[in-house]
Amino acid sequence: KQEVTQIPAALSVPEGENLVLNCSFTDSAIYNLQWFRQDPGKGLTSLLLIQSSQREQTSGRLNASLDKSSGRSTLYIAASQPGDSATYLCAVYTGANSKLTFGKGITLSVRP
Amino acid sequence: GAVVSQHPSRVICKSGTSVKIECRSLDFQATTMFWYRQFPKKSLMLMATSNEGSKATYEQGVEKDKFLINHASLTLSTLTVTSAHPEDSSFYICSARDDASGSFKETQYFGPGTRLLVL
Repeated sequence: KQEVTQIPAALSVPEGENLVLNCSFTDSAIYNLQWFRQDPGKGLTSLLLIQSSQREQTSGRLNASLDKSSGRSTLYIAASQPGDSATYLCAVYTGANSKLTFGKGITLSVRP
Repeated sequence: GAVVSQHPSRVICKSGTSVKIECRSLDFQATTMFWYRQFPKKSLMLMATSNEGSKATYEQGVEKDKFLINHASLTLSTLTVTSAHPEDSSFYICSARDDASGSFKETQYFGPGTRLLVL
């Protein structure tokens, strides 16, 4: 059974800091990995999707990497801003059961 | 871009009543939609996979008679919480796969969620 872990559960940083959010998963037989953003009381916004054959994806100040063999992914946020404050969820798509498995998320607070 | 809507965004109901939540794909067709439930500070938990024209596939531990799913068209799936109980209070999120996604067919587009409070 696939399990996705995100540690720590919460993180508070000052504005301007570069930061790394970690995600680990137990079954390396994934099709893809996706990072989402969730604002309080809202749905999910997809940030980056990395196919299993890819090593990383970039979008603006965000960079996500994938090391499938070790079951890890990181989301790098450069020059963090207060508007980046949200919960960041990692999810892996496992083809064997055709479903997304989510981590519990990391709640990020960027202090002005 | 692919947009998924949910209605209502928020609903309060009394115990024992039924509540219907709609999930619509606005600019694409979706043979497959998914219903998730999210508890505070918890992961999204897949409840069921909704398939147009056929019965939904429920995850282990999800009561199909309590959470009725109907996927009557390629753009609409509904989740009805029957005989609602306070423990059903939660955030319900749907997602949909774009039938025309080709090699990215596994990509899911998420709705904004529905907050259900059962008194």
